[in-house]
Amino acid sequence: AQSVAQPEDQVNVAEGNPLTVKCTYSVSGNPYLFWYVQYPNRGLQFLLKYITGDNLVKGSYGFEAEFNKSQTSFHLKKPSALVSDSALYFCAVLSYGNNRLAFGKGNQVVVIP
Amino acid sequence: NAGVTQTPKFQVLKTGQSMTLQCAQDMNHNSMYWYRQDPGMGLRLIYYSASEGTTDKGEVPNGYNVSRLNKREFSLRLESAAPSQTSVYFCASSDPGQITDSSYNSPLHFGNGTRLTVT
Repeated sequence: AQSVAQPEDQVNVAEGNPLTVKCTYSVSGNPYLFWYVQYPNRGLQFLLKYITGDNLVKGSYGFEAEFNKSQTSFHLKKPSALVSDSALYFCAVLSYGNNRLAFGKGNQVVVIP
Repeated sequence: NAGVTQTPKFQVLKTGQSMTLQCAQDMNHNSMYWYRQDPGMGLRLIYYSASEGTTDKGEVPNGYNVSRLNKREFSLRLESAAPSQTSVYFCASSDPGQITDSSYNSPLHFGNGTRLTVT
């Protein structure tokens, strides 16, 4: 079975400071990893994905994520947080041959002005 | 393009009532999904349809039925609503060939959700 853990319920960060949202995964075989963001009363929007290749993946809105196979992690990062980054962030994983994504429980990010 | 369209946006039901949530996509995707979102539990898969004419249970199928009406439309039915089904429901679509293809971005395209309250 494939699963994702997002250990923190809420991440608070001051505007301009670095933002990190943690994600660890469990999957058989090679993982495909994704980050989505959800703004209030909206569906999920894609941020970035890791399929293969470079461990550092760059995505939308200045976000990036680092795939670490030994630690089975895929943490989302942004060097300088904006108030507009306040939202709910979801990590997701799927394994080869499976087209159903397994989502984490989500992390609420609050960027304080 | 409209993408994935869900109706209604909001609904209040009484326990025991039935209703159907509608979903349509205009991206010619083969696969469609129904998720529910609950605080602290993330998104959980209710049912999915890998292609027209097929449906399969996800993590939390009890109390729900689905119909893949055609390639575009995938509906979710609550036959006898219960308070435990109070949730936000999301429909999504994908083309499985695109999920892990670096040429494409999002593996799943989501609708804006239906907020359902069962009293």
